Parts: sequence; C-alpha cells; structure tokens
Amino acid sequence: DVKVTQSSRYLVKRTGEKVFLECVQDMDHENMFWYRQDPGLGLRLIYFSYDVKMKEKGDIPEGYSVSREKKERFSLILESASTNQTSMYLCATITRGASYEQYFGPGTRLTVT
Amino acid sequence: QQQVKQSPQSLIVQKGGISIINCAYENTAFDYFPWYQQFPGKGPALLIAIRPDVSEKKEGRFTISFNKSAKQFSLHIMDSQPGDSATYFCAASIGKPGGYQKVTFGIGTKLQVIP
Repeated sequence: DVKVTQSSRYLVKRTGEKVFLECVQDMDHENMFWYRQDPGLGLRLIYFSYDVKMKEKGDIPEGYSVSREKKERFSLILESASTNQTSMYLCATITRGASYEQYFGPGTRLTVT
Repeated sequence: QQQVKQSPQSLIVQKGGISIINCAYENTAFDYFPWYQQFPGKGPALLIAIRPDVSEKKEGRFTISFNKSAKQFSLHIMDSQPGDSATYFCAASIGKPGGYQKVTFGIGTKLQVIP
C-alpha cells in the first residue's frame, strides 16, 4: 500500500518567512510532484522531480523552489512567503506501466498572514 | 488557458439518481484520462481511468464515456449514494521524456448526494 506523507497538516506563517514543506513516499517511485489546490482552479502543478537531484518546473513555479536529495523525499520551499501563497499543497507520486496512478498525500493547508 | 474544462462546479443529486460530470480537452496528444475522487481532509485518489481507444469503461456504479472526435469525456455515477459526496476531478495526461506523465486537472466538481 503506497503511502505518501506530508510533514504538517496545517501551517501558519508570516509574510516574508522561508517555509519548508516536506513529503516522503515509501514506494520507491522515481517521480514526485508538488501541486497547489485552490477553489475554482483545481490542482496546478508547481514542480516535479523525475529522479534524485533532478527537477523540472511545472505550470506555476514562481515563488517556489524544490529539493530532492533522496529518492523518498521531496521538499517544497517558499523562499519568502506571500499572502497569495495561502493554499492547500499536495504532494504526489506516480506509478509507471500500462496504467498510471498518482498517489497523493493528505495535503498541507498553509496560511500566510 | 484551461486545457481541461470541467463542468459543473457543483452538483446536487438525490440518492438513487445519476450524477453526470463532463470534461472537455484541447490537446489531442493526451493519451490517458483518469478521474480522481477527493473526500474532505484527504488527498485525491484514483477512481477510474480510460484510454482514448476505448469509448466506455465501467467499474461498478462508475462509468466513463469517451468521445474522441468531440474531445469530451464524462463520468456517470449510477445509483448515487450519500457516501459518493466528494469532489471529483477529471484529468488528462501525456507522456514526457524521462518516463513520467504530466497530468493536467480540471477545476473539480463538488458532488452532494442528498437522502
């Protein structure tokens, strides 16, 4: 049973703070993703990683960076948090093969005040 | 621009009724069309998926209908139950170099099934 865990369920930070969101998966999947979920906008891809130390920008990378030093861990970094980054953040992995299934973590609700 | 358009944004259905959610896509290179179900406080989970060479796929009470020429696909939930109340996302994906799938999601439909 694939498990994707995220370090915090709820987080409150101040404008300008550096924020780290951590994600860990236990299924040895190469690909990992960070999305943000906002009402009326669905899930939007921020960054993804297809291997250790490899990363690619998604559709909305501005204001974010990522780190993947170990295969099981993928971190999202907000260099200087702003109020428009208040959102639900979801980490995911994906299987490979004939059918593709993304496994999502439970999400981190980040509020920037 | 929205590559996957989903409607309606919210839906209320009586218990036992049929819930229908529609999606349309632009990019004909998409090669996989999953639907995800999300309950409050949880991440989305794969519900059912279809490839464009198939016009319909059924799993229990859930059916995907796919119209390749119209670039549209829909989710039908038969005999809807209160336990089906959740947010549903359609998605479309395309294979990218490096062996991963880039998944584009619709905006989601919040379904409420009332007794």
